[in-house]
Amino acid sequence: DSGVTQTPKHLITATGQRVTLRCSPRSGDLSVYWYQQSLDQGLQFLIQYYNGEERAKGNILERFSAQQFPDLHSELNLSSLELGDSALYFCASSAPGTGMGNEQFFGPGTRLTVL
Amino acid sequence: ILNVEQSPQSLHVQEGDSTNFTCSFPSSNFYALHWYRWETAKSPEALFVMTLNGDEKKKGRISATLNTKEGYSYLYIKGSQPEDSATYLCAPTVAGGTSYGKLTFGQGTILTVHP
Repeated sequence: DSGVTQTPKHLITATGQRVTLRCSPRSGDLSVYWYQQSLDQGLQFLIQYYNGEERAKGNILERFSAQQFPDLHSELNLSSLELGDSALYFCASSAPGTGMGNEQFFGPGTRLTVL
Repeated sequence: ILNVEQSPQSLHVQEGDSTNFTCSFPSSNFYALHWYRWETAKSPEALFVMTLNGDEKKKGRISATLNTKEGYSYLYIKGSQPEDSATYLCAPTVAGGTSYGKLTFGQGTILTVHP
């Protein structure tokens, strides 16, 4: 158990819908990262937040957005869902300090299925 | 976009064999190299974070070396056991710009250890 929690574990929805994935980092961690792992792609970085502010951005679609709240939990919002958005979404967190050299602790993931 | 290559893509070994795999990455603006182990139905778990050229890390039967000048890292497993079966991922981080904390994962090496 990494100490990072994600809810829900599984989510099944229809095309065109909007969903929210939630992540709580390990106690004391200020950085939260979101990753997507789909069948035909490896683990892809989406976005990073540090203490409430966006810090780094990957190839995140405009239909996707994220935020980190004052209590440091983070939410990833996916809207106008398409079949291709079906994937495993991971959240990770890392300790305070320079994020580049800190190991990231991954949550159990949310499996999103878009029908 | 960072080009991270891992080889081989997959590897089948017998219990007790020693094995190694390679991660190649761009050497410019290098900051750190992360190795992760990802077992089926679980989350990626950090093995090592390496930052210095010539660095060597060891955890039990698993060790790694790093060459930042030529942009490669080797992961070694001595006396493979069935429980070592997993996908091994590497991910460099680069300094500067908007890439802070971003891990760019390779496609991974899938290791299967047969009893």
